Amino acid sequence: DTGVSQNPRHKITKRGQNVTFRCDPISEHNRLYWYRQTLGQGPEFLTYFQNEAQLEKSRLLSDRFSAERPKGSFSTLEIQRTEQGDSAMYLCASSLDLGSGNQPQHFGDGTRLSIL
Amino acid sequence: AQKVTQAQTEISVVEKEDVTLDCVYETRDTTYYLFWYKQPPSGELVFLIRRNSFDEQNEISGRYSWNFQKSTSSFNFTITASQVVDSAVYFCALSDSVYNQGGKLIFGQGTELSVKP
Repeated sequence: DTGVSQNPRHKITKRGQNVTFRCDPISEHNRLYWYRQTLGQGPEFLTYFQNEAQLEKSRLLSDRFSAERPKGSFSTLEIQRTEQGDSAMYLCASSLDLGSGNQPQHFGDGTRLSIL
Repeated sequence: AQKVTQAQTEISVVEKEDVTLDCVYETRDTTYYLFWYKQPPSGELVFLIRRNSFDEQNEISGRYSWNFQKSTSSFNFTITASQVVDSAVYFCALSDSVYNQGGKLIFGQGTELSVKP
């Protein structure tokens, strides 16, 4: 039983560069979420997918951020023209929507982004 | 507006002591879900418990127990006979009705628990 997998684990880049993160959810899970966590804070919701459809985006998700989930499987989160404030841990989670209540989300290890 | 407050930023106890982590939430929905997650130093968030707003029964799982009180909008977590391996950051989270919001989690700021031998 494989859990949620995120790659890379760490990403260091210079300000202004583009970065892309990948998330592979638990295989039968139809919901996929992205969160951002900064030091000493709880995770903050960014966006979520139901299968391949992106159904909600937080106001935290500026136009430099884009997320996709082609074919309802893995997802990518891209940040263009990175800024210092983008430095954070980016967490992916997945869950199985059974139509009977909000099921637990299972999280990956996260991708830690550092902007130089 | 939805909000989760964990007023205790850090707690330090000696092994075998009991410890309670507080969580207070705000929501306008009548149907909602509450969760607790553990984040050990390795970083991965580990699911501990899910409780819906219609079930106010307390729950016990081994050394862990949870006290849900709608009257005070609280969902507190108690660890009995704490162990060093319990050292972690614990997050309380709220999720609104499945009919809106898509089940996104609203997290508190977390409580860092340190259990010393």
